[in-house]
Amino acid sequence: GQQLNQSPQSMFIQEGEDVSMNCTSSSIFNTWLWYKQDPGEGPVLLIALYKAGELTSNGRLTAQFGITRKDSFLNISASIPSDVGIYFCAGPPSTGGGNKLTFGTGTQLKVEL
Amino acid sequence: GAGVSQSPRYKVAKRGQDVALRCDPISGHVSLFWYQQALGQGPEFLTYFQNEAQLDKSGLPSDRFFAERPEGSVSTLKIQRTQQEDSAVYLCASSYGGYQPQHFGDGTRLSIL
Repeated sequence: GQQLNQSPQSMFIQEGEDVSMNCTSSSIFNTWLWYKQDPGEGPVLLIALYKAGELTSNGRLTAQFGITRKDSFLNISASIPSDVGIYFCAGPPSTGGGNKLTFGTGTQLKVEL
Repeated sequence: GAGVSQSPRYKVAKRGQDVALRCDPISGHVSLFWYQQALGQGPEFLTYFQNEAQLDKSGLPSDRFFAERPEGSVSTLKIQRTQQEDSAVYLCASSYGGYQPQHFGDGTRLSIL
């Protein structure tokens, strides 16, 4: 099925570094959601964005809803070991389909101590 | 508990057997979704309920897959005559409805031998 493209696919960073990842789509989204998934667990909602251009923070996490409505960005500041996991962007496409979510391909974050 | 509860957490079945996966959503959530997550991939939509009504089942891969939510609360996903390609994690999510964020359970990991 259709998926959103996330980059990078994976990244190794040093503890304390800032992290940036993004999500792009060929179609417009009205809502962008960022989830984190740990092994053996379900996705956990981190941030929800509802308006083009919106910038929202949740602790060390900051996410932005792109102006074109076709992309979104997630930044993590001062990474710590528990940030390890897979980050997914997701959203309900604006072109029909109701509120079922389309998920991105994921960015796997690994932190070196 | 306060979150979405899924059972069993793990299920091993022989090819050809029928399986039933249960989801207990967050109390008060009218919307319930089922997703399938293959190894290394993002979740993919299967079906959606609003209360007891199944409003979208466009993601169900075949007529071997059947879902129900008879009283608008607990939902069951049934897979008949399982095949090896059905092996995946099956995630359930619920929300208050509309475009409210979906909250996920920890999933059922299904392995078909």
